[in-house]
Amino acid sequence: SAVISQKPSRDICQRGTSLTIQCQVDSQVTMMFWYRQQPGQSLTLIATANQGSEATYESGFVIDKFPISRPNLTFSTLTVSNMSPEDSSIYLCSVVVRGERNTEAFFGQGTRLTVV
Amino acid sequence: KQEVTQIPAALSVPEGENLVLNCSFTDSAIYNLQWFRQDPGKGLTSLLLIQSSQREQTSGRLNASLDKSSGRSTLYIAASQPGDSATYLCAVIKYQLIWGAGTKLIIKP
Repeated sequence: SAVISQKPSRDICQRGTSLTIQCQVDSQVTMMFWYRQQPGQSLTLIATANQGSEATYESGFVIDKFPISRPNLTFSTLTVSNMSPEDSSIYLCSVVVRGERNTEAFFGQGTRLTVV
Repeated sequence: KQEVTQIPAALSVPEGENLVLNCSFTDSAIYNLQWFRQDPGKGLTSLLLIQSSQREQTSGRLNASLDKSSGRSTLYIAASQPGDSATYLCAVIKYQLIWGAGTKLIIKP
């Protein structure tokens, strides 16, 4: 299993500023995933963060807007840059742990972002 | 391309009823299927994980089944309670998660 500590849990930010969200995992994992969940919507994958290489972004998401760091196998950050009210969402980090018997997804507690 | 569909999108039932939530997926080449619960404005809580070789998993009042050949999973909730009110999401896992849009469940006291 894996325990993920995500912070901040929530924030209210001014338009045009940036917010960095951190996720710390209690074990080493190769890939970490960053999701966004806009109000009333399901989760949308933003990017996959690999240690030692550039993150892989999904269609509609770009590095300039959502820069990601992955300095080691237990930590990652996602920055939401030059925020606008449309960025108001819940942001979640996740890992998929492949054990001997099963493959399971674990999530951070989420960051509820409101941009005003 | 894997697609995951959840039906119904919303469900409102009186307390005490048994209910079934449905999840279907288009590509049967999955490792596992996982059911989650999400409370309003909160993160995700994993409920049940079914490996691709399994047919069902049970936890308390919850039972999840998996039929890979037909691309379907169900989440059965017995004797529903108001505290079960939440959005329930299913996700299929291969190299990453592919999500359904969720079923918003309201249990009326």
